[in-house]
Amino acid sequence: GQNIDQPTEMTATEGAIVQINCTYQTSGFNGLFWYQQHAGEAPTFLSYNVLDGLEEKGRFSSFLSRSKGYSYLLLKELQMKDSASYLCAVRSPIKAAGNKLTFGGGTRVLVKP
Amino acid sequence: DVKVTQSSRYLVKRTGEKVFLECVQDMDHENMFWYRQDPGLGLRLIYFSYDVKMKEKGDIPEGYSVSREKKERFSLILESASTNQTSMYLCASSLRSGANVLTFGAGSRLTVL
Repeated sequence: GQNIDQPTEMTATEGAIVQINCTYQTSGFNGLFWYQQHAGEAPTFLSYNVLDGLEEKGRFSSFLSRSKGYSYLLLKELQMKDSASYLCAVRSPIKAAGNKLTFGGGTRVLVKP
Repeated sequence: DVKVTQSSRYLVKRTGEKVFLECVQDMDHENMFWYRQDPGLGLRLIYFSYDVKMKEKGDIPEGYSVSREKKERFSLILESASTNQTSMYLCASSLRSGANVLTFGAGSRLTVL
């Protein structure tokens, strides 16, 4: 089975740093994704980790530890536009079809002035 | 840019009606997916397809069927809509190779009365 856990909601101040944790227990692992979803919009791709370590992309960084079944998304220098839901998703292999993504419940981040 | 277009943004249907949700992508992606998104439950995979006329059940296929007659089009069918199928439905597509980054459509919000 697949189990992906992340906090439901976090609040932070503009200019600060927020870390969103994601823990997973899945049958098969082929990478971990983070998506951003603004209210009423489609999720958009933020980052992808397949090996252990930190991937940095501007203000956003994502970390993966496969042995611990753990990832985090770090958002630095928070801006009001970063208020959104952040979705953790694990990719796992399926038959001959390649891979599928299983999503956590999402973390709603509210950035306050 | 990859575009995934969902034909209806909002639908209101009555219990027992047959419902078709259409999804078209324009970047020649092999894989296509249907998810539903509910508060607190995140995105859950209903069905996916990795090739024309191929379909695979996701995590919650009961009450749904799909059709993929052409590579660019993936339809979700609710044979007899029920109130518990009121939800946001998201279509996504990806290449079969590489990281399989999903590109999502804007979503179809279905209300079943």
